[in-house]
Amino acid sequence: GNSVTQMEGPVTLSEEAFLTINCTYTATGYPSLFWYVQYPGEGLQLLLKATKADDKGSNKGFEATYRKETTSFHLEKGSVQVSDSAVYFCALIASQGAQKLVFGQGTRLTINP
Amino acid sequence: EADIYQTPRYLVIGTGKKITLECSQTMGHDKMYWYQQDPGMELHLIHYSYGVNSTEKGDLSSESTVSRIRTEHFPLTLESARPSHTSQYLCASSSRLGLGGTYNEQFFGPGTRLTVL
Repeated sequence: GNSVTQMEGPVTLSEEAFLTINCTYTATGYPSLFWYVQYPGEGLQLLLKATKADDKGSNKGFEATYRKETTSFHLEKGSVQVSDSAVYFCALIASQGAQKLVFGQGTRLTINP
Repeated sequence: EADIYQTPRYLVIGTGKKITLECSQTMGHDKMYWYQQDPGMELHLIHYSYGVNSTEKGDLSSESTVSRIRTEHFPLTLESARPSHTSQYLCASSSRLGLGGTYNEQFFGPGTRLTVL
C-alpha cells in the first residue's frame, strides 16, 4: 500500500540554522507530494507541493524536490526562524485508487532564539 | 486563502452527551473529509464524502457518523460522547484537477478540540 515515512522528531535548532526534514514514500504510479505545516492550536496549512518527478516546490523559504529515483521529498530551509516552530507533515496523494491523502507521522520542530 | 470553517473551536462536555461538530466550506469543493488527530500528532481519516448524499468510512474505525445534505456542509455527530472520544477533529475539502482528474491538495479547517469528561 501507499505510505510516507518521516524523520523522527522532535527536532530542535537554533535560529538561522539549516533545516532538513527527511521524507520518503512508497506508492504505486506517480503520486503528488506535499508538505503541510501545523502551527500550535491550528489546522494544517499547505506549505508546498510537487506533482511530478524533479519538480521543486517552494514557499516561505522552504524547498523540497520530488526525487523519484530515491522516492524522497526532503524539506529544507537555509535559515530558520523562531516563527517556523511547528509540526511538519509530509504527505502524498496516489495517482490511482481512492486518491486519499496519506500522511507521515509528523515532525515537531522547535527553533530557539 | 482557504475558506473552510469549523465550530466550535473548543468543546468540553460530559459523558453521554450528543454532540455535532460543524464544518463548512465556501470553495464549492466536492470532496470533504474528517480526520482525528491524537496527542502524538498522527492524523487518522475517519470519514469522507465524494459529494451530496455520499459518505464513506475512513481508515480508522469511529463511533461518529456524518451526513452530506449540502455540498458546503459536512457535520460530524457523536450520539453518546465518551472520554475515549477526546481528541482534535480536523475537517478538510478538496476538488479535482479538471474533469475526471486526480484530486488536488486538501484544505483544512482550524479544528475542534473536544474534551469529554
